[in-house]
Amino acid sequence: DGGITQSPKYLFRKEGQNVTLSCEQNLNHDAMYWYRQDPGQGLRLIYYSQIVNDFQKGDIAEGYSVSREKKESFPLTVTSAQKNPTAFYLCASSMRAGTGEQFFGPGTRLTVL
Amino acid sequence: DAKTTQPPSMDCAEGRAANLPCNHSTISGNEYVYWYRQIHSQGPQYIIHGLKNNETNEMASLIITEDRKSSTLILPHATLRDTAVYYCIVRVYDNYGQNFVFGPGTRLSVLP
Repeated sequence: DGGITQSPKYLFRKEGQNVTLSCEQNLNHDAMYWYRQDPGQGLRLIYYSQIVNDFQKGDIAEGYSVSREKKESFPLTVTSAQKNPTAFYLCASSMRAGTGEQFFGPGTRLTVL
Repeated sequence: DAKTTQPPSMDCAEGRAANLPCNHSTISGNEYVYWYRQIHSQGPQYIIHGLKNNETNEMASLIITEDRKSSTLILPHATLRDTAVYYCIVRVYDNYGQNFVFGPGTRLSVLP
């Protein structure tokens, strides 16, 4: 079955540690996205990638980093510079950047202790 | 910032139609209206999108006013599983520089 997977579903880290969230898609989509969601809020765009080896900052990129070395993978690193990292993180993909619908993964809930 | 405004919450009786409104008074001529929903602690799910004509698919119907300043998502026979947060988004269909902006949405509660 085609889709987007994120792992793990729940992640706990100590304050000051970097942590990397995984996102993989087998939909052959060119574009991938990372969003952050806080309780009772909408989604805010962190980073997006239109093609392999390219990525752009979204609205709240500070304290985060990404890479896009393979078409199917777009990992997000939450660095110690992110002041409030505890949140629900959602990865999405679309056939091309900016077009049509985005398909979302199940999300990773990160809690920093 | 989101270009849409939605009521924060709505209730609907099971089996009845759920009508979710969205205002997008500053919509541009080439911007589509998209609807997504998010069930608790899951990723958002695409529902439907449209430009100016009314649209229908197996999940819902989308009614867009003639001036395109507002729209309504209709779930014809709501079930308990339709309880979710519904997001209305406007964006150009094919614009590499623009991405989806999700506001707080409408929390729909389907009641037995």
